[in-house]
Amino acid sequence: NAGVTQTPKFQVLKTGQSMTLQCAQDMNHNSMYWYRQDPGMGLRLIYYSASEGTTDKGEVPNGYNVSRLNKREFSLRLESAAPSQTSVYFCASSGFMNTEAFFGQGTRLTVV
Amino acid sequence: SQQGEEDPQALSIQEGENATMNCSYKTSINNLQWYRQNSGRGLVHLILIRSNEREKHSGRLRVTLDTSKKSSSLLITASRAADTASYFCATDAESGGSNYKLTFGKGTLLTVNP
Repeated sequence: NAGVTQTPKFQVLKTGQSMTLQCAQDMNHNSMYWYRQDPGMGLRLIYYSASEGTTDKGEVPNGYNVSRLNKREFSLRLESAAPSQTSVYFCASSGFMNTEAFFGQGTRLTVV
Repeated sequence: SQQGEEDPQALSIQEGENATMNCSYKTSINNLQWYRQNSGRGLVHLILIRSNEREKHSGRLRVTLDTSKKSSSLLITASRAADTASYFCATDAESGGSNYKLTFGKGTLLTVNP
């Protein structure tokens, strides 16, 4: 049972490049999330998906897009990366009514 | 702005002492959860308390919830060096319809000195 799997673990991008962060869960969870973590800022919600086919903006959605491809997969896309998007990105999933959330190991993204 | 705010931002104690962290939030909730994070790794769930509960225990953890004050506390008793980590509270704020989004505070960095 893998839980939540994020890829890649590390990435360096040049300003203006695009990339997609992948996330998959094997726990049959309805809800999936993307957060970013910056020093002193805790975890800030970028986008979330309460169920397959739905997505909603979180606290810091600008510069990002998401796709809930199916119940298992929730991807985060940076269309034109900026240095301000340098951060650690976490994907998470949870079951009905947001009980315990399970996290991936994170993607460390640096934009130069 | 973030839903939850932990206090203090950092806490340093000796092994064997108790550690108390507080969390305040802004809107009504269904449940409040506490998570632990070691050195930038993924967060791990510790305990969940529902809005109709006032206190919950799990091993050395004790969580209280006061919905009238929109606050919660996490007590770790008889702390160990291995408890050194960042601790976050999370709340499920309603976002419309039956959807709830899980939002986190900025965390408390706990250091337990041997």
